[in-house]
Amino acid sequence: AQSVSQHNHHVILSEAASLELGCNYSYGGTVNLFWYVQYPGQHLQLLLKYFSGDPLVKGIKGFEAEFIKSKFSFNLRKPSVQWSDTAEYFCAVRNDYKLSFGAGTTVTVRA
Amino acid sequence: GAGVSQSPSNKVTEKGKDVELRCDPISGHTALYWYRQSLGQGLEFLIYFQGNSAPDKSGLPSDRFSAERTGGSVSTLTIQRTQQEDSAVYLCASSPKLAGTGELFFGEGSRLTVL
Repeated sequence: AQSVSQHNHHVILSEAASLELGCNYSYGGTVNLFWYVQYPGQHLQLLLKYFSGDPLVKGIKGFEAEFIKSKFSFNLRKPSVQWSDTAEYFCAVRNDYKLSFGAGTTVTVRA
Repeated sequence: GAGVSQSPSNKVTEKGKDVELRCDPISGHTALYWYRQSLGQGLEFLIYFQGNSAPDKSGLPSDRFSAERTGGSVSTLTIQRTQQEDSAVYLCASSPKLAGTGELFFGEGSRLTVL
């Protein structure tokens, strides 16, 4: 069975700081990779996704992620965070019809 | 509707009671999923529907949990004889595709509290 590991449970940083959230998955076959975000009081929504091609994927709100196949990683980055980026972030891997999620990382951005 | 709709948004029940949670997916989406979100546990897969059939029920934690989908649309997740450990947010998601690279579209969830 595949699994998804997110390295950080809670990250606290100041506005304008850079953000990187780690994600590793265990599945060795063809995967589709996702980052979802859940803002306070809102539903989960897609930040970005990787299917194939360029391993550096750009998403909404200035987020990007890099797929490194040799490391089974799909880390999320943002060069300069804003207070509105406070949210919970979930990495997910899709195999066939099912998405498997990591435990999530809570990001708190201090103004 | 425009998005995935779930009801109730909040449900408080007593241990031992049965509860039903409803999901109305995005129109035309053939795939429907139920996940459970517990504090610090991420999202736990429960069941997957393609049309009205459920080819994967592997995530249902016990036989107290069941789900059905009718008309290829609305789904109901039923928890019988609720226990305190059932307290969680139950998320429904839908997708337009059986397989491939489609993303899942999530509802806002039903928060269940079992006293």
